[in-house]
Amino acid sequence: DSGVTQTPKHLITATGQRVTLRCSPRSGDLSVYWYQQSLDQGLQFLIQYYNGEERAKGNILERFSAQQFPDLHSELNLSSLELGDSALYFCASSVVTGATDTQYFGPGTRLTVL
Amino acid sequence: TQLLEQSPQFLSIQEGENLTVYCNSSSVFSSLQWYRQEPGEGPVLLVTVVTGGEVKKLKRLTFQFGDARKDSSLHITAAQPGDTGLYLCAGGSNYKLTFGKGTLLTVNP
Repeated sequence: DSGVTQTPKHLITATGQRVTLRCSPRSGDLSVYWYQQSLDQGLQFLIQYYNGEERAKGNILERFSAQQFPDLHSELNLSSLELGDSALYFCASSVVTGATDTQYFGPGTRLTVL
Repeated sequence: TQLLEQSPQFLSIQEGENLTVYCNSSSVFSSLQWYRQEPGEGPVLLVTVVTGGEVKKLKRLTFQFGDARKDSSLHITAAQPGDTGLYLCAGGSNYKLTFGKGTLLTVNP
């Protein structure tokens, strides 16, 4: 158990819909990262927040958005869903922020878009 | 765009055999991390290497960072079924990690 929690574990929805994925980082961790994992693309970095502020952006679509709240939990919002958005979405957290920091990954949310 | 190529993509071996997996890039990274991911779970960090030429050992696993900090290798000695999983390398620069697509290792009893 990494100490990072993600809800829900599974999510099935239809094209065009909007969903929200939630992440609670490990106690004391200020950085939260979101990743998308699919069979063809592998693990892709989406976005990072540090203490409530956006720190880095990766391959995140405009239909996707995220935020980190004052209690440090984070939400990833996915809208106008397409079949290709079906994937595993992971949240990770670390104490600070930097290329050498240990990131602790949550168990993931499996999103299926029908 | 920084890319990390991992090879082989799939590897199936017998218990007790040795193996090496590779992680290569044309870009320089400030750090290189190796993760192992088991089905239905998130990746778990195995090691971080930051210095060119650095070698780290973790029991039967040996990790090496290339002198130019563009590549890395993971060597497993006397593999065991418990080593089965997806091995991911990740290059660190600025505030983010770039992951390779991984090597799926199966160790058969």
